[in-house]
Amino acid sequence: EIVMTQSPATLSVSPGERATLSCRASQSVSSNLAWYQQKPGQAPRLLIYGASTRATGIPARFSGSGSGTEFTLTISSLQSEDFAVYYCQQYNNWPPRLTFGGGTKVEIK
Amino acid sequence: QVQLVESGGGLVKPGGSLRLSCAASGFTFSDYYMSWIRQAPGKGLEWVSYISSSSSYTNYADSVKGRFTISRDNAKNSLYLQMNSLRAEDTAVYYCAAGLLGSSLYWGQGTLVTVSS
Repeated sequence: EIVMTQSPATLSVSPGERATLSCRASQSVSSNLAWYQQKPGQAPRLLIYGASTRATGIPARFSGSGSGTEFTLTISSLQSEDFAVYYCQQYNNWPPRLTFGGGTKVEIK
Repeated sequence: QVQLVESGGGLVKPGGSLRLSCAASGFTFSDYYMSWIRQAPGKGLEWVSYISSSSSYTNYADSVKGRFTISRDNAKNSLYLQMNSLRAEDTAVYYCAAGLLGSSLYWGQGTLVTVSS
């Protein structure tokens, strides 16, 4: 099973600052990686798929990068609505055997 | 607009069974693979099961293999999860989700399953 590890667990950032979230896979997942945002009491929302492609309607301040085992989600200038938990998820297997990272909580500094 | 609406959750005793349903609308259901993903209270996301668009392929997390069965009815735009031999550790909000590749684009709001005596 591919294990996804996210760091840090919590990131304290001031509004307007840049946030950088990391996700590491225990083996290569190529570019088969997605990022989701989840706010309290809500379902997750897809932000990024294919490691770097923004989903429809996702603001340009969200960007994804990486391939293989190391991935990054960058939020260029945090807005108040961006404070949430972020999950990475790999989908490299077939049939899919999806695995999520443990999440990074982005909180207001 | 796109909607995924889960139902069938509730309180069940250990060893019991439940059948979750997910009703889809606003998109071509038969084009999408579907997953069940769960979230235990205060915890992260855990993938449970996957079914391809034509039901040709299914897959399960080790934690539920042999106890849960995923199915779909494209004529009814519906997804199902039959859950047997439920355990306390199955307590979670269960989300259905739709995707075209391995990522999940559309999500329901979830249904809570509580396994307790």
